[in-house]
Amino acid sequence: NAGVTQTPKFQVLKTGQSMTLQCAQDMNHNSMYWYRQDPGMGLRLIYYSASEGTTDKGEVPNGYNVSRLNKREFSLRLESAAPSQTSVYFCASSFRNNLHDEQFFGPGTRLTVL
Amino acid sequence: GDSVTQMEGPVTLSEEACLTINCTYTATGYPSLFWYVQYPGEGLQLLLKATKADDKGSNKGFEATYRKETTSFHLEKGSVQVSDSAVYFCALNPGNDYKLSFGAGTTVTVRA
Repeated sequence: NAGVTQTPKFQVLKTGQSMTLQCAQDMNHNSMYWYRQDPGMGLRLIYYSASEGTTDKGEVPNGYNVSRLNKREFSLRLESAAPSQTSVYFCASSFRNNLHDEQFFGPGTRLTVL
Repeated sequence: GDSVTQMEGPVTLSEEACLTINCTYTATGYPSLFWYVQYPGEGLQLLLKATKADDKGSNKGFEATYRKETTSFHLEKGSVQVSDSAVYFCALNPGNDYKLSFGAGTTVTVRA
């Protein structure tokens, strides 16, 4: 099993450009998440999908959109990138969306917006 | 709201030294508590967890005890190795929401 995979690993954008970050999991998990990691701030939840067909906003959703394409895939889209979106983005998944379940993380996408 | 506060780093240690990373939390309900570890260039992975008061989580020589009276979940290891160099995150799930709240992370460097 590959676990949680993310593409691309690195990306540089110019302000105003758009892009989609891809995430897939092969663990038959129901819930998927997108986080951003910034120095000194831990991880902050952008969006999550508790189950296939549902998505909800997290702590910092502005400037992002998501699509739960199917049970395996959950993509994050930046429609008009801004320098404030320079960050490392992590996708995660869990079997169920409850307090005991471990979340499994992908390797991350390092995004720089110039 | 629910939150986690962990000690600031960076922390630099020699091999075989003792490591303690403090973590305290604020939660209105009965959260589950987690320690995640991030090795250089990788994503986060679960190190250990505790789901109720007085539970002790342990893995790879690390331990943490869920202390409701002090709202703490400190991470400890008695003898660190160079391979323990990583960023450690304390996190909680409040139990009434989807959100996993993370601390800011503590960078630990172990020197040979």
